[in-house]
Amino acid sequence: GAGVSQSPSNKVTEKGKDVELRCDPISGHTALYWYRQSLGQGLEFLIYFQGNSAPDKSGLPSDRFSAERTGGSVSTLTIQRTQQEDSAVYLCASSLPTNEKLFFGSGTQLSVL
Amino acid sequence: AQTVTQSQPEMSVQEAETVTLSCTYDTSESDYYLFWYKQPPSRQMILVIRQEAYKQQNATENRFSVNFQKAAKSFSLKISDSQLGDAAMYFCAYGDRDDKIIFGKGTRLHILP
Repeated sequence: GAGVSQSPSNKVTEKGKDVELRCDPISGHTALYWYRQSLGQGLEFLIYFQGNSAPDKSGLPSDRFSAERTGGSVSTLTIQRTQQEDSAVYLCASSLPTNEKLFFGSGTQLSVL
Repeated sequence: AQTVTQSQPEMSVQEAETVTLSCTYDTSESDYYLFWYKQPPSRQMILVIRQEAYKQQNATENRFSVNFQKAAKSFSLKISDSQLGDAAMYFCAYGDRDDKIIFGKGTRLHILP
């Protein structure tokens, strides 16, 4: 596609439910990043992929968070048993290769009630 | 671990004036990259400028320039002839070669007409 696509753009869920956030990077981009941005705050690193491998998962806040990437393309960030503190904007970015320009999606606004 | 610090949560500047946003970082690496990203109210992240640590020459992009002080681990952004469209959150970011990119907490820039 022309840019990084994230879906859904908005997600409202109840506490305790599982959610899946999707990121479709620019075709051919080898690196893919997930960040979390709480209201008015900076970007918190969650995880990044090189191809299908995740060299650094250190940013995942707890074992309720997981991510995968298949075919060197689409990535899914899954949050299990959501909590209210998980409410934030989740941003995905891709690049070719790492440390070149990051292309960001528009983000998924997650609200946990 | 690498860290990025932006000590100015908010700044204001008169239209057409010059403003400098500060950023410091901590790393033990010698080969890395530094970035400034802009996030307008639309939430879409935009790369403003990128600097490679091995290049001594400061990067410039039109009205945007950086002052890169490697020994001091400082990477400030200067915006000349400020325009209303420059109002946004500005994030400083750091990336090792072939590794994750981390962001500071941001500086919110207001442009006063």
